[in-house]
Amino acid sequence: DAKTTQPPSMDCAEGRAANLPCNHSTISGNEYVYWYRQIHSQGPQYIIHGLKNNETNEMASLIITEDRKSSTLILPHATLRDTAVYYCIVRVATGTASKLTFGTGTRLQVTL
Amino acid sequence: GAVVSQHPSRVICKSGTSVKIECRSLDFQATTMFWYRQFPKQSLMLMATSNEGSKATYEQGVEKDKFLINHASLTLSTLTVTSAHPEDSSFYICSARDQGGSNQPQHFGDGTRLSIL
Repeated sequence: DAKTTQPPSMDCAEGRAANLPCNHSTISGNEYVYWYRQIHSQGPQYIIHGLKNNETNEMASLIITEDRKSSTLILPHATLRDTAVYYCIVRVATGTASKLTFGTGTRLQVTL
Repeated sequence: GAVVSQHPSRVICKSGTSVKIECRSLDFQATTMFWYRQFPKQSLMLMATSNEGSKATYEQGVEKDKFLINHASLTLSTLTVTSAHPEDSSFYICSARDQGGSNQPQHFGDGTRLSIL
């Protein structure tokens, strides 16, 4: 699986949009981009995933560049409960052996 | 949404004890489940991939005789830490993917915090 690069930490004011970048310059054509977050002492929570088109759900939006070498997770109106470590992961979709490999992620701190 | 239930949430036991952790997919069937371990202030490390009806696939450096995995049904996988020692103290997290589609996301349990005295 391709490696990803994320900033180690970011701050965001409550109510503002949080934009979390991720570089995945060696992504393959059949690899999806997944975003998860982990709130302290809990298991990771799935947020969103995409292949090449931008995606939006009730939690966030995922913007993938046209060359697919980077993406941005957008939390439109961050709240204190969004404070967590956010992981950007690329994964081959096919086959039962495809698995999520976690990097160090971005620690997002939402402040008042 | 998909729910993965993990039990127990916390275990404290004496050195030498074997501990079993259960992982259940509650509203979907999972041909494949995954077991992760997370030490304090570190990221999740994949230990093994659990395959229903067959042997688990272990990551390099993970002792298969130490961490026994059983995946007897499409909704249940268990991890047994045999003869646990203080260095096995960690946060163990399971994950499952709905077999309904190849690009379905993995969903995670809330983890089991294991403390060996």
